[in-house]
Amino acid sequence: AQRVTQPEKLLSVFKGAPVELKCNYSYSGSPELFWYVQYSRQRLQLLLRHISRESIKGFTADLNKGETSFHLKKPFAQEEDSAMYYCALDGGGFKTIFGAGTRLFVKA
Amino acid sequence: DAGVTQSPTHLIKTRGQQVTLRCSPKSGHDTVSWYQQALGQGPQFIFQYYEEEERQRGNFPDRFSGHQFPNYSSELNVNALLLGDSALYLCASSLYGTGGLQPQHFGDGTRLSIL
Repeated sequence: AQRVTQPEKLLSVFKGAPVELKCNYSYSGSPELFWYVQYSRQRLQLLLRHISRESIKGFTADLNKGETSFHLKKPFAQEEDSAMYYCALDGGGFKTIFGAGTRLFVKA
Repeated sequence: DAGVTQSPTHLIKTRGQQVTLRCSPKSGHDTVSWYQQALGQGPQFIFQYYEEEERQRGNFPDRFSGHQFPNYSSELNVNALLLGDSALYLCASSLYGTGGLQPQHFGDGTRLSIL
């Protein structure tokens, strides 16, 4: 079955500390993976996708097919990074499967 | 460009009623997807419309149906509402491309409450 698991509902870090939001997926094939973010009182928006291999707002994510993971990382968290983060998988065809999300709270 | 717009913002219905939610895609987009997001959960894919046809469907019963119009706007209809249908309904639009699923742009959602 196609599935996305984000094991942490809440992650709290201090400003300037490294942050890693975990994402594991289950998919038989070559996955296309995304991270979406929702800031307070804003709509859900794309943060990055693995195929473009970009770094957005200092975040990066590496696809590890052996561990079926796509963890989101940032070396130095900022207060403005506080938001809800969703990992998502292109489930073949035209369907996107989302994880349950992780709320990141960056403390001053 | 206002991006993806959804209406109404909030809606209250009772069990057994029917509801229609509306979505206008971002300018230049031709594909619309609908998601249901229950409290504390990620969005769950309902279906996607392209060229006025349902292109893919998630694990939702036939009570959930949709439509796409020639101007690419879309409606989501839910019949025989159940308490469990209470959720935020998100619309997302994208541009169909040959490189697979293109990045989606989301609306603010319609909050549906069933009494």
